[in-house]
Amino acid sequence: SQQGEEDPQALSIQEGENATMNCSYKTSINNLQWYRQNSGRGLVHLILIRSNEREKHSGRLRVTLDTSKKSSSLLITASRAADTASYFCATGYSSASKIIFGSGTRLSIRP
Amino acid sequence: NAGVTQTPKFQVLKTGQSMTLQCAQDMNHEYMSWYRQDPGMGLRLIHYSVGAGITDQGEVPNGYNVSRSTTEDFPLRLLSAAPSQTSVYFCASRQNGQGGNTIYFGEGSWLTVV
Repeated sequence: SQQGEEDPQALSIQEGENATMNCSYKTSINNLQWYRQNSGRGLVHLILIRSNEREKHSGRLRVTLDTSKKSSSLLITASRAADTASYFCATGYSSASKIIFGSGTRLSIRP
Repeated sequence: NAGVTQTPKFQVLKTGQSMTLQCAQDMNHEYMSWYRQDPGMGLRLIHYSVGAGITDQGEVPNGYNVSRSTTEDFPLRLLSAAPSQTSVYFCASRQNGQGGNTIYFGEGSWLTVV
C-alpha cells in the first residue's frame, strides 16, 4: 500500500501545550498535505508541503518534511479546545493523480 | 459556490439492495473521488476520475461502480449492498495535476446495510 501512516493514533494533551503528530509514507511523493476532520464532518485542508520544501508555517501550524526518511510532522502550538479533531496526512505521487490518506491521529485537548 | 454536495446524508439498506450515492461539485474540478471511512481505518479510496469519461479504481473498488458522464457529477453505485459496506462515504474533488491541489470534501453519507 502507498498509504501514509500517522503516529500516534491518539494523542491527549493539556490546553496550551504543543501537539506533534507524524506521518510516514512508502514511496517518493510530489507533495504531502495535512487535513483536519471534526467529528461527523468532512475533511478540511490545513497545509501543503512540496517535496522540495523542508518546512512550512501557517499560523499555529508548522509542517516539516524529510524526504530521505519519508516522513512529515505536524506541530500545533499553543493548543486550544477547538483543535480537538482527527488529523490526516495525504500523499500525492509523481506518477499518479490519486490521493491516498493515512489512518489519522485523534487529538484531544483537555481544558 | 456550493462546493461538493453529497446526497443522501443518511441511508439504511437491506442486504442485496442497490443504491446510488450522488455527488456534485460546482468548482469545475477535473478530479473527483470517493472514499469510505470506517472506524480506525482512515479514508480508503474507492474510485476516482481525472475527467469526464475517465474513471479508475482505488484501493477498495469491489462492490462499487462509478461513471463520469459530466464534469460536475460523480455518482457511486452499490450494486448489491453487503453489511461490510456499512460505512461513511465521502466524495471529494480538486483541480487536476500531480496531487498538488487542495482537495474539497463533501459532508459525508452515512450508509448502514442490515
